[in-house]
Amino acid sequence: AQSVTQLDSQVPVFEEAPVELRCNYSSSVSVYLFWYVQYPNQGLQLLLKYLSGSTLVKGINGFEAEFNKSQTSFHLRKPSVHISDTAEYFCAVSDRGNGNKLVFGAGTILRVKS
Amino acid sequence: NAGVTQTPKFRVLKTGQSMTLLCAQDMNHEYMYWYRQDPGMGLRLIHYSVGEGTTAKGEVPDGYNVSRLKKQNFLLGLESAAPSQTSVYFCASSYHRGGYEQYFGPGTRLTVT
Repeated sequence: AQSVTQLDSQVPVFEEAPVELRCNYSSSVSVYLFWYVQYPNQGLQLLLKYLSGSTLVKGINGFEAEFNKSQTSFHLRKPSVHISDTAEYFCAVSDRGNGNKLVFGAGTILRVKS
Repeated sequence: NAGVTQTPKFRVLKTGQSMTLLCAQDMNHEYMYWYRQDPGMGLRLIHYSVGEGTTAKGEVPDGYNVSRLKKQNFLLGLESAAPSQTSVYFCASSYHRGGYEQYFGPGTRLTVT
């Protein structure tokens, strides 16, 4: 069964600094990969997704992620964060053969400080 | 277009009580899901449905039942609530093909005392 590891539970960063949130998944079979964001007291919103094609995926709010098949990773990056990016970020994976079932990581809380 | 809505938003139950959480979506999605979110554990799939009248177990189905009598609604029931079911519950829906993006509701915070 798939599993997802988000290597950092919390990431503090100053405003306008770059950030990387790390995500590794367990299986080397073909997968779909997602990053979702959850703002306080809200549901999850899709940031970006990788289905196929280019390994560099661009999402909303200036975020991007790179799919690395050999390292089974899908790290999320932003070159310059804002206070409004403070939220919890979830990496999720589904097997291509069972694309409707997502497995989520434990989440990374991004705290942007001024 | 309201997207995915959940009722109620908050609920406190005593051990042994029962309740039903309602999820509704107006996007004509085939697939619907119920997750629970606990600190440090991300979201875990409880049950899901691939269409009206069908349901299937997810990762943590014990203690919960579901029904999908109408395409737009997905109900989650707790027959005899336990403190271990204290959690935030999220409903989601998606198309059956394409990018498999799931659209989430705002959540229901349930406390079982």
